[in-house]
Amino acid sequence: EVQLVESGGGLVQPGRSLRLSCAASGFKLRDYAMHWVRQAPGKGLEWVAGISWNSGSLGYVDSVKGRFTISRDNAKNSLYLQMNSLRAEDTAFYYCVKDRGTYYDSSGLWPLDDWGQGTLVTVSS
Amino acid sequence: DIQMTQSPSSLSASVGDRVTITCRASQTIDTYLNWYQQKPGKAPKLLIYGASNLQSGVPSRFSGSGSGTEFTLTISTLQPEDFATYSCQQNYDTPRTFGLGTKVEV
Repeated sequence: EVQLVESGGGLVQPGRSLRLSCAASGFKLRDYAMHWVRQAPGKGLEWVAGISWNSGSLGYVDSVKGRFTISRDNAKNSLYLQMNSLRAEDTAFYYCVKDRGTYYDSSGLWPLDDWGQGTLVTVSS
Repeated sequence: DIQMTQSPSSLSASVGDRVTITCRASQTIDTYLNWYQQKPGKAPKLLIYGASNLQSGVPSRFSGSGSGTEFTLTISTLQPEDFATYSCQQNYDTPRTFGLGTKVEV
């Protein structure tokens, strides 16, 4: 059974940093692209970042480019999201998500297969 | 970026009703459209991928159709456990974008 467990969320002041982690189990992390998707309280889903199976390609939504960094350690079955210069508008639940494919930007029948339960990031002074 | 527009944003229905939700893309996305169900306090769950392919384990009362820019999610006979928010998402281009969701409530 696929399990994705996020950690690292919490309350942080604007301008500060936070690092999210996602522990993956039940599948071979190295075989799949992975993503972070967020959801502000009461709002819709927003794709934040994606990373291909071997970290060879990655991408971000414009609003976090230059501030967030996605990375992975396949040997440790872990996905990460380093978030710097946090803003109030980054407040959201952050979900770790497994892709069905190997490349985060593949066009086609590659849905977001499995989701973690999410970790809440609150940016406030 | 490809914009995904869902309608309605919410709807009221009763157990046994047939429910249809529409999703429109701002440009053609072939059939690269997925549907997710989300219940309060829970993570989204994949229901349908590739516009019409039912994810394993999802009841057959759920179905999807469409191609190009217009898509629909249909629940043939609404069950109590189907009251939730449904979101569409395109896989044609990055960033992968979602609709704002349709809340199905009593």
